[in-house]
Amino acid sequence: EVQLVESGGGLVQPGGSLRLSCAASGFTFSSYWMSWVRQAPGKGLEWVANIKQDGSEKYYVDSVKGRFTISRDNAKNSLYLQMNSLRAEDTAVYYCARGQYSSSWCYFDYWGQGTLVTVSS
Amino acid sequence: SYELTQPPSVSVSPGQTARITCSGDALPKQYAYWYQQKPGQAPVLVIYKDSERPSGIPERFSGSSSGTTVTLTISGVQAEDEADYYCQSADSSEVVFGGGTKLTVL
Repeated sequence: EVQLVESGGGLVQPGGSLRLSCAASGFTFSSYWMSWVRQAPGKGLEWVANIKQDGSEKYYVDSVKGRFTISRDNAKNSLYLQMNSLRAEDTAVYYCARGQYSSSWCYFDYWGQGTLVTVSS
Repeated sequence: SYELTQPPSVSVSPGQTARITCSGDALPKQYAYWYQQKPGQAPVLVIYKDSERPSGIPERFSGSSSGTTVTLTISGVQAEDEADYYCQSADSSEVVFGGGTKLTVL
């Protein structure tokens, strides 16, 4: 059974940093693209970042470029999101998702339950 | 960057057919995907590559595509189908979600 379990969320002040983790199990982690998707309270889904199987390609939504870094450790079956210079508008539930990916399509077939990040003073 | 546009809400009576549309200029060139999200839960993929249904998704869920519009159709709607539905598309470097449609089962 595919499982994705996020952790690391919490309350952080504007300008602060936080590192999210996602522990994967039930599939060959190193064979899949992985992603982070977020959802602000009461709002819709927003893609945040993708990372290729070996970490050699990474893509970000414009609003987090230069502030967030996606990474992975295939030996630990883990995905990470380092978030720096956090803003109030980054407040959201952050989901880890497994990606099905090609040069012309990308979608998410499994999702974790999410971890809440709140940016507030 | 591009946009996907969904109606904010759709209402339907039990047993009727619900149709949720998603429009975007890139859709003739890119596949669309649909997710169901119930309150307090993670999204679930219900349609991929315009019209394919993942295993475990009921047959009443179907998808279609025509030009710049894709449609999620739920035939014989059940009370348990009440949820938010999001369309999504992507190219090689960017993923975009529609704003979501709240399906209300009257």
